[in-house]
Amino acid sequence: EVQLVESGGGLVQPGRSLRLSCAAAGFTLGDFAMHWVRQAPGKGLEWVSGINWNSDNVDSADSVKGRFTISRDNAKNSLYLQMNSLSTEDTALYYCVKASTYSTSSGLFDFWGQGTLVTVSS
Amino acid sequence: QSALTQPRSVSGSPGQSVTISCTGTSSDVGGYKYVSWYQQHPGKAPKFMIYDVSKRPSGVPDRFSGSKSGNTASLTISGLQAEDESDYYCCSYAGSYTWVFGGGTKLTVL
Repeated sequence: EVQLVESGGGLVQPGRSLRLSCAAAGFTLGDFAMHWVRQAPGKGLEWVSGINWNSDNVDSADSVKGRFTISRDNAKNSLYLQMNSLSTEDTALYYCVKASTYSTSSGLFDFWGQGTLVTVSS
Repeated sequence: QSALTQPRSVSGSPGQSVTISCTGTSSDVGGYKYVSWYQQHPGKAPKFMIYDVSKRPSGVPDRFSGSKSGNTASLTISGLQAEDESDYYCCSYAGSYTWVFGGGTKLTVL
């Protein structure tokens, strides 16, 4: 059974940093691309960032480009999101999402974690 | 990277059919076959219902179907049931390893 468990969320002040982690189980992480998708309270889904199976292709939404960095450690079955220069607009539930293929340029988001809440407030 | 356009809400009575549209551009919906639809119940993680425009994964009722014409994709739910009441999101590959979601549509079963 595929399991994705996010951690690292919490309350953080504007301008500070936070690192999210996602522990994957039930499948071989190195065979699939992975993504982070967020959802602000009461709002819709927003794709944040994606990384292909071997980290060769990485990209992010314009709203976080230059501030957020996605990375992975296939040997540790883990996905990460380093978030710097956080603003109140980054307040959201962050989902770790498995892709259906090894590439970030195809497929779909077939398994989702339960999310970790990031609240940016002074 | 503008969000795809979906109606904010749709409604229908049990047994009826509803269609949710998802309008993008030739750089996303119109340019690729990687359009998918997700159902999200309150407080739950999204679940994929349709992928590659019109393919349905095992376990999803055949009441759910997808299509695309030009820059607009559509999700049709026929034979509406109470448990279909939920939020629905479309998603499309947008080139250069980026993806874009629609704003979401709240389906109410009357």
